[in-house]
Amino acid sequence: DAGVIQSPRHEVTEMGQEVTLRCKPISGHNSLFWYRQTMMRGLELLIYFNNNVPIDDSGMPEDRFSAKMPNASFSTLKIQPSEPRDSAVYFCASSFIGLSEGVGELFFGEGSRLTVL
Amino acid sequence: GENVEQHPSTLSVQEGDSAVIKCTYSDSASNYFPWYKQELGKRPQLIIDIRSNVGEKKDQRIAVTLNKTAKHFSLHITETQPEDSAVYFCAARGIKAGRALTFGSGTRLQVQP
Repeated sequence: DAGVIQSPRHEVTEMGQEVTLRCKPISGHNSLFWYRQTMMRGLELLIYFNNNVPIDDSGMPEDRFSAKMPNASFSTLKIQPSEPRDSAVYFCASSFIGLSEGVGELFFGEGSRLTVL
Repeated sequence: GENVEQHPSTLSVQEGDSAVIKCTYSDSASNYFPWYKQELGKRPQLIIDIRSNVGEKKDQRIAVTLNKTAKHFSLHITETQPEDSAVYFCAARGIKAGRALTFGSGTRLQVQP
């Protein structure tokens, strides 16, 4: 397996533009997570899906952020409109959650580095 | 939800010395505590984890200890090498946060050759 695949790896955009980040989880994993990493706030959970259903989106900063998982092999994180304070590395991660074990090992993608000017 | 605090934020040791990183968590129901290593410009990767029914776990030069009563856990790296230089994150799975991991703020470890 190629691991968790994210695109784009780097994105530079201007304030007000729409940004769409994409993620393909590891085949067979039933949970997908979006994290944001900044120097100031570290790794923050934005949202996670289990079996394509959003379970916890309390970390989504505001209405400008939205995430979807239309099927088991694809997810998007969208920011509209983007602002300079959204500049960060956005990681997608996937895992297999069993009935009793909870989160197993989390596998991260390479990340998408977003710069909003 | 879960709150994880990690100390120190930076740690510099001489090659061959030991390094210890400590974390505390708030949710007494948390039962899974992994440690991730992130090299510069790379993704975080799991290096060791421990579950709440175990007090200590070792894997070669790294070990993790867990004190559920005090709600803290620690990472120990012995005989440090320059390639151990990275940012290390602890995490906890708190029931209140569903089944997602809450990460500590990270420790930048620098091993001086």
